[in-house]
Amino acid sequence: GAGVSQSPRYKVAKRGQDVALRCDPISGHVSLFWYQQALGQGPEFLTYFQNEAQLDKSGLPSDRFFAERPEGSVSTLKIQRTQQEDSAVYLCASSPRQGLTEAFFGQGTRLTVV
Amino acid sequence: DAKTTQPTSMDCAEGRAANLPCNHSTISGNEYVYWYRQIHSQGPQYIIHGLKNNETNEMASLIITEDRKSSTLILPHATLRDTAVYYCIVRGVNSGGSNYKLTFGKGTLLTVNP
Repeated sequence: GAGVSQSPRYKVAKRGQDVALRCDPISGHVSLFWYQQALGQGPEFLTYFQNEAQLDKSGLPSDRFFAERPEGSVSTLKIQRTQQEDSAVYLCASSPRQGLTEAFFGQGTRLTVV
Repeated sequence: DAKTTQPTSMDCAEGRAANLPCNHSTISGNEYVYWYRQIHSQGPQYIIHGLKNNETNEMASLIITEDRKSSTLILPHATLRDTAVYYCIVRGVNSGGSNYKLTFGKGTLLTVNP
């Protein structure tokens, strides 16, 4: 399809395990975002890429969280040594240009840490 | 970005207009009003945005008061598929700022009843 694709859709991890979440943005989109959504809350900004450059990572909650977009297309959000508080839906979004423009979201990856 | 206030929940009868209010009394002159919605188990979906004039597209209408301190999203003929959480977001346009971010609140859960 032509939308933002995220995989896996669901991930169960044991506490302490490392996880990697993948985002395939819409082809040609310059900007890519990651958001975290806890149960019953609105999404919260994690990080922003413009092409391959990570311009803002101010929302990453700890140094266990790491995101990359090495070729300016696919992005991976990695969480090391997962904790129970990391359980959430992780949403990826892309937009065609930088700055003020609508963002297209994927369906998210639901991470449950047990 | 200015903070927004929305009712926690609303109900609407199928086929009737749904009017979703949003207060943004601290909005500044260069900030847009954006609306997104999130259907259960999906990512947020862009609906509409505006600066000071009323806007209409195939999904909805956006009415912004003259003083820009509040707005109303109107779904003219609500269907069951419009049941979702609706987020009102105020977003700046300054290219030097972090206008790429979307700051979601808790939104309004709109339930369309048959």
